[in-house]
Amino acid sequence: DQQVKQNSPSLSVQEGRISILNCDYTNSMFDYFLWYKKYPAEGPTFLISISSIKDKNEDGRFTVFLNKSAKHLSLHIVPSQPGDSAVYFCAASGLSGGSNYKLTFGKGTLLTVNP
Amino acid sequence: DGGITQSPKYLFRKEGQNVTLSCEQNLNHDAMYWYRQDPGQGLRLIYYSQIVNDFQKGDIAEGYSVSREKKESFPLTVTSAQKNPTAFYLCASSIGPRGLYEQYFGPGTRLTVT
Repeated sequence: DQQVKQNSPSLSVQEGRISILNCDYTNSMFDYFLWYKKYPAEGPTFLISISSIKDKNEDGRFTVFLNKSAKHLSLHIVPSQPGDSAVYFCAASGLSGGSNYKLTFGKGTLLTVNP
Repeated sequence: DGGITQSPKYLFRKEGQNVTLSCEQNLNHDAMYWYRQDPGQGLRLIYYSQIVNDFQKGDIAEGYSVSREKKESFPLTVTSAQKNPTAFYLCASSIGPRGLYEQYFGPGTRLTVT
């Protein structure tokens, strides 16, 4: 049972436009959400996070929105740059099994930003 | 520089052999994790350790073993019992019980078993 879902395997946008990556979750115990960026043959890099007490968190070109009632979050990248081309993973954590810092990852979305 | 190192980057083994993947961190993090990534899949948790001399199975622990004798080190052994060992293996660490969920990843080891 996949608790964190990224339903779009890939996304292609033009340089300078907005990229919107989506993520849905099913476990209502999740209370912290993270986005990671990953280049091929490298480890993921932490990008931005949001706690369930907030509905928005912004860091430069990256903004994460959280809709708790819909169990949905999204990552907005504005403006998109070719260097943003990578796989983006959504991850979630919460009070599960006593290990409240275990992360559950989605399968990722490959973002391609075209010059 | 603080960070996580994994060695080697590429590893080749014959079927039936055990192999140990190295993971070292100098971030003074309490918690460490092992994941595997397969094509088109997210990261799946193999084992994690919240503190020295303690570790727990993750979602796909069968065929793997770990040890946590030092805070800095969390080696993963892929045994011959692991049915599909060829994968990209990622080690991560986080501050742990003191808070913060962010995990920091090493560069990964690509294991190929033939």
